[in-house]
Amino acid sequence: TQLLEQSPQFLSIQEGENLTVYCNSSSVFSSLQWYRQEPGEGPVLLVTVVTGGEVKKLKRLTFQFGDARKDSSLHITAAQPGDTGLYLCAGALSAGTASKLTFGTGTRLQVTL
Amino acid sequence: KAGVTQTPRYLIKTRGQQVTLSCSPISGHRSVSWYQQTPGQGLQFLFEYFSETQRNKGNFPGRFSGRQFSNSRSEMNVSTLELGDSALYLCASSLWTGTGYTFGSGTRLTVV
Repeated sequence: TQLLEQSPQFLSIQEGENLTVYCNSSSVFSSLQWYRQEPGEGPVLLVTVVTGGEVKKLKRLTFQFGDARKDSSLHITAAQPGDTGLYLCAGALSAGTASKLTFGTGTRLQVTL
Repeated sequence: KAGVTQTPRYLIKTRGQQVTLSCSPISGHRSVSWYQQTPGQGLQFLFEYFSETQRNKGNFPGRFSGRQFSNSRSEMNVSTLELGDSALYLCASSLWTGTGYTFGSGTRLTVV
């Protein structure tokens, strides 16, 4: 059972366009992380959000954590070809001192010139 | 500083064999987690180790096992390989359990 659903699954846009990727769940997470993965490599952490309603900005990327800590969004302004990759959200379910990441289904973004 | 190092990068094994994958975390990181990534199932959690103790385990059969050494290096073992075990196996380390993870480049395992 996939706890985290991402939409859209695929996105092909031109340079300069804006886009939003959504990450939804029925579970409450202690924190939510966003990663970007390029072919042949492991995911690279972009941001961690921990507080409901939190908004974090990383240059042209804006991340938001839902008030109920069940969902999140990633907005990219003026996309560039270097933004191309697989975007993954991951929720952390903590149980005492243990934790594991539940990854979303992924959004594959392609930005063309 | 050096990142997370996984060896080997590529591996081809035959059904029924066993395989051991290695992960060296970032220096000072005590939490090491393993994930399996396939096109159909995406990234799935295998297990997490913290200070040599398995803290959490995913829904994988007992053929998948792991361990962590006193220097935080970790290994995972898959016995009696099946074709469906073909995947990218990723290791991630973090300073504390539950915080942001740094992933290695993975080991691409192909079972034939």
